[in-house]
Amino acid sequence: DIQMTQSPSSLSASVGDRVTITCRASETINSYLNWYQQQAGKAPKVLIYAATSLQSGVPSRFSGSGSGTDFTLTINSLQPEDFATYYCQQTFRTPRTFGQGTRVE
Amino acid sequence: QLQGSGPGLVKPWETLSLTCSVSGVSIRSDYWTWMRQPPGKGLEWIGSIYFSGNTIYNPSLKSRVTISLDRSNNKFSLELTSLTAADTAIYYCARDKGVYRFTHLHYYMDVWDEGTTVTVSS
Repeated sequence: DIQMTQSPSSLSASVGDRVTITCRASETINSYLNWYQQQAGKAPKVLIYAATSLQSGVPSRFSGSGSGTDFTLTINSLQPEDFATYYCQQTFRTPRTFGQGTRVE
Repeated sequence: QLQGSGPGLVKPWETLSLTCSVSGVSIRSDYWTWMRQPPGKGLEWIGSIYFSGNTIYNPSLKSRVTISLDRSNNKFSLELTSLTAADTAIYYCARDKGVYRFTHLHYYMDVWDEGTTVTVSS
Protein backbone atom coordinates (compact mmCIF):
# COMPACT_ATOMS: atom_id res chain seq x y z
CA ASP A 1 0.00 0.00 0.00
CA ILE A 2 1.10 3.60 -0.58
CA GLN A 3 1.68 5.31 2.76
CA MET A 4 0.63 8.94 3.10
CA THR A 5 2.27 10.99 5.84
CA GLN A 6 0.95 14.41 6.82
CA SER A 7 2.72 17.02 8.87
CA PRO A 8 2.12 18.44 11.29
CA SER A 9 -0.46 16.24 13.02
CA SER A 10 -1.93 19.35 14.60
CA LEU A 11 -1.28 23.06 14.60
CA SER A 12 -2.52 26.12 16.40
CA ALA A 13 -3.45 29.14 14.31
CA SER A 14 -5.45 32.33 14.47
CA VAL A 15 -7.98 33.91 12.17
CA GLY A 16 -6.13 35.65 9.35
CA ASP A 17 -3.08 33.37 9.51
CA ARG A 18 -1.60 31.59 6.52
CA VAL A 19 -1.56 27.83 7.16
CA THR A 20 0.47 25.21 5.32
CA ILE A 21 -0.03 21.45 5.60
CA THR A 22 2.23 18.98 3.88
CA CYS A 23 1.61 15.44 2.66
CA ARG A 24 4.28 13.00 1.55
CA ALA A 25 3.67 9.78 -0.35
CA SER A 26 5.85 6.70 0.15
CA GLU A 27 6.26 6.45 -3.65
CA THR A 28 5.51 8.68 -6.58
CA ILE A 29 1.82 9.31 -7.22
CA ASN A 30 2.19 11.94 -9.96
CA SER A 31 -0.67 14.36 -9.27
CA TYR A 32 -3.20 11.80 -8.01
CA LEU A 33 -3.73 13.61 -4.74
CA ASN A 34 -6.89 15.03 -3.16
CA TRP A 35 -7.41 17.17 -0.07
CA TYR A 36 -10.48 16.92 2.17
CA GLN A 37 -11.71 19.02 5.06
CA GLN A 38 -13.67 17.43 7.88
CA GLN A 39 -15.42 19.62 10.39
CA ALA A 40 -16.32 18.10 13.74
CA GLY A 41 -19.24 15.68 13.49
CA LYS A 42 -19.58 16.05 9.72
CA ALA A 43 -18.68 14.12 6.60
CA PRO A 44 -15.50 15.10 4.78
CA LYS A 45 -15.68 17.65 1.97
CA VAL A 46 -13.34 17.79 -0.99
CA LEU A 47 -11.30 20.98 -1.34
CA ILE A 48 -8.64 20.17 -3.93
CA TYR A 49 -8.42 17.33 -6.45
CA ALA A 50 -5.67 16.32 -8.87
CA ALA A 51 -3.22 18.08 -6.53
CA THR A 52 -3.98 21.62 -7.69
CA SER A 53 -7.59 21.88 -8.93
CA LEU A 54 -9.97 23.79 -6.68
CA GLN A 55 -13.34 22.09 -6.28
CA SER A 56 -16.30 24.19 -7.38
CA GLY A 57 -17.71 26.28 -4.55
CA VAL A 58 -14.57 26.09 -2.40
CA PRO A 59 -13.15 29.52 -1.44
CA SER A 60 -10.07 30.65 -3.33
CA ARG A 61 -8.08 31.01 -0.09
CA PHE A 62 -7.50 27.25 -0.39
CA SER A 63 -4.80 26.10 -2.79
CA GLY A 64 -2.85 22.94 -3.49
CA SER A 65 0.58 22.36 -4.98
CA GLY A 66 3.05 19.58 -5.60
CA SER A 67 3.53 16.45 -7.67
CA GLY A 68 5.43 13.20 -7.36
CA THR A 69 5.75 12.54 -3.64
CA ASP A 70 5.46 15.93 -1.93
CA PHE A 71 2.30 18.01 -1.74
CA THR A 72 1.08 21.09 0.11
CA LEU A 73 -2.29 22.50 1.08
CA THR A 74 -2.25 26.22 1.82
CA ILE A 75 -4.97 28.23 3.46
CA ASN A 76 -4.52 31.96 3.02
CA SER A 77 -6.16 34.14 5.66
CA LEU A 78 -7.66 31.46 7.88
CA GLN A 79 -11.35 31.95 8.60
CA PRO A 80 -13.34 30.73 11.66
CA GLU A 81 -15.02 28.01 9.61
CA ASP A 82 -11.61 26.62 8.58
CA PHE A 83 -10.85 25.18 12.02
CA ALA A 84 -11.18 21.50 11.15
CA THR A 85 -9.18 18.37 10.32
CA TYR A 86 -7.60 18.05 6.88
CA TYR A 87 -6.78 14.80 5.07
CA CYS A 88 -4.81 14.06 1.94
CA GLN A 89 -5.73 11.01 -0.18
CA GLN A 90 -3.90 9.32 -3.00
CA THR A 91 -5.83 7.83 -5.91
CA PHE A 92 -2.82 6.63 -7.91
CA ARG A 93 -3.26 3.03 -6.86
CA THR A 94 -5.74 0.97 -4.86
CA PRO A 95 -6.20 0.70 -1.99
CA ARG A 96 -6.78 4.40 -1.92
CA THR A 97 -5.06 5.60 1.22
CA PHE A 98 -5.30 8.69 3.38
CA GLY A 99 -2.91 10.64 5.53
CA GLN A 100 -3.50 10.49 9.25
CA GLY A 101 -5.00 13.98 9.30
CA THR A 102 -3.93 17.44 10.41
CA ARG A 103 -6.04 19.17 13.00
CA VAL A 104 -6.12 22.97 12.74
CA GLU A 105 -7.12 24.49 16.06
CA GLN B 1 -28.26 13.55 -2.57
CA LEU B 2 -26.84 10.45 -0.84
CA GLN B 3 -28.53 8.89 2.14
CA GLY B 4 -27.11 5.93 3.97
CA SER B 5 -29.21 3.58 6.04
CA GLY B 6 -28.72 0.49 8.17
CA PRO B 7 -28.59 -0.82 11.72
CA GLY B 8 -26.77 1.17 14.35
CA LEU B 9 -25.96 -1.87 16.50
CA VAL B 10 -24.74 -5.24 15.29
CA LYS B 11 -23.59 -8.25 17.27
CA PRO B 12 -20.10 -9.72 16.92
CA TRP B 13 -19.69 -12.26 14.11
CA GLU B 14 -22.89 -11.06 12.43
CA THR B 15 -23.11 -9.40 9.00
CA LEU B 16 -23.49 -5.65 8.51
CA SER B 17 -25.72 -4.53 5.64
CA LEU B 18 -25.82 -0.87 4.67
CA THR B 19 -27.59 0.82 1.77
CA CYS B 20 -26.92 4.16 0.12
CA SER B 21 -29.80 5.79 -1.73
CA VAL B 22 -28.79 8.17 -4.51
CA SER B 23 -31.01 11.03 -5.62
CA GLY B 24 -30.48 13.95 -7.96
CA VAL B 25 -27.66 12.27 -9.85
CA SER B 26 -27.54 9.16 -11.98
CA ILE B 27 -25.90 6.05 -10.62
CA ARG B 28 -25.11 5.11 -14.23
CA SER B 29 -21.68 6.74 -14.19
CA ASP B 30 -18.60 7.10 -11.99
CA TYR B 31 -17.58 4.97 -9.03
CA TRP B 32 -19.63 4.58 -5.86
CA THR B 33 -17.60 4.16 -2.71
CA TRP B 34 -17.82 3.09 0.91
CA MET B 35 -15.51 4.60 3.53
CA ARG B 36 -15.34 4.27 7.29
CA GLN B 37 -13.93 6.17 10.24
CA PRO B 38 -13.42 4.51 13.64
CA PRO B 39 -14.12 6.72 16.66
CA GLY B 40 -11.45 9.41 16.97
CA LYS B 41 -9.44 8.02 14.05
CA GLY B 42 -8.81 8.70 10.38
CA LEU B 43 -10.50 7.64 7.17
CA GLU B 44 -10.32 4.16 5.65
CA TRP B 45 -11.33 3.30 2.10
CA ILE B 46 -13.40 0.08 2.06
CA GLY B 47 -14.06 -0.28 -1.66
CA SER B 48 -15.86 0.97 -4.73
CA ILE B 49 -18.19 -0.22 -7.44
CA TYR B 50 -18.15 1.15 -10.97
CA PHE B 51 -21.43 1.85 -12.71
CA SER B 52 -20.74 -1.19 -14.89
CA GLY B 53 -20.72 -3.38 -11.78
CA ASN B 54 -16.96 -3.90 -11.52
CA THR B 55 -15.72 -3.77 -7.94
CA ILE B 56 -12.44 -2.94 -6.21
CA TYR B 57 -11.87 -3.66 -2.53
CA ASN B 58 -9.34 -2.82 0.12
CA PRO B 59 -7.21 -5.99 0.42
CA SER B 60 -7.35 -5.69 4.21
CA LEU B 61 -11.12 -6.24 4.07
CA LYS B 62 -11.57 -8.04 0.77
CA SER B 63 -12.41 -11.45 2.25
CA ARG B 64 -15.32 -9.95 4.20
CA VAL B 65 -16.69 -7.24 1.88
CA THR B 66 -19.26 -7.21 -0.91
CA ILE B 67 -20.42 -4.02 -2.64
CA SER B 68 -23.36 -4.23 -5.01
CA LEU B 69 -25.33 -1.87 -7.25
CA ASP B 70 -29.09 -1.59 -7.85
CA ARG B 71 -29.34 0.60 -10.95
CA SER B 72 -33.10 0.42 -11.24
CA ASN B 73 -33.55 1.84 -7.72
CA ASN B 74 -30.49 4.13 -7.73
CA LYS B 75 -28.92 2.43 -4.74
CA PHE B 76 -25.70 0.71 -3.82
CA SER B 77 -24.99 -1.48 -0.84
CA LEU B 78 -22.27 -2.73 1.47
CA GLU B 79 -22.10 -6.10 3.21
CA LEU B 80 -19.38 -6.75 5.78
CA THR B 81 -19.26 -10.18 7.39
CA SER B 82 -17.78 -11.60 10.61
CA LEU B 83 -17.90 -8.34 12.49
CA THR B 84 -15.68 -7.56 15.47
CA ALA B 85 -15.36 -4.54 17.72
CA ALA B 86 -12.67 -3.22 15.34
CA ASP B 87 -15.43 -2.66 12.77
CA THR B 88 -17.13 -0.09 15.00
CA ALA B 89 -17.07 3.11 12.98
CA ILE B 90 -18.99 5.76 11.10
CA TYR B 91 -19.64 4.37 7.63
CA TYR B 92 -19.87 6.83 4.75
CA CYS B 93 -21.06 6.34 1.18
CA ALA B 94 -19.84 8.69 -1.51
CA ARG B 95 -19.73 9.32 -5.24
CA ASP B 96 -16.25 8.97 -6.65
CA LYS B 97 -16.36 11.35 -9.57
CA GLY B 98 -14.01 11.01 -12.52
CA VAL B 99 -12.64 14.08 -14.29
CA TYR B 100 -9.89 14.61 -16.86
CA ARG B 101 -7.01 16.91 -16.00
CA PHE B 102 -4.14 17.23 -18.50
CA THR B 103 -5.31 14.03 -20.28
CA HIS B 104 -5.24 12.01 -17.05
CA LEU B 105 -8.39 10.67 -15.39
CA HIS B 106 -8.62 11.64 -11.73
CA TYR B 107 -11.15 10.52 -9.13
CA TYR B 108 -12.32 12.34 -6.04
CA MET B 109 -15.28 11.98 -3.68
CA ASP B 110 -17.48 14.99 -4.26
CA VAL B 111 -20.80 13.93 -2.73
CA TRP B 112 -21.08 12.19 0.63
CA ASP B 113 -23.88 11.08 2.91
CA GLU B 114 -23.95 12.20 6.55
CA GLY B 115 -22.57 8.88 7.75
CA THR B 116 -24.10 5.93 9.56
CA THR B 117 -22.76 5.11 13.02
CA VAL B 118 -22.31 1.37 13.48
CA THR B 119 -21.44 -0.18 16.83
CA VAL B 120 -20.43 -3.82 17.09
CA SER B 121 -21.33 -5.11 20.53
CA SER B 122 -23.15 -7.98 22.16
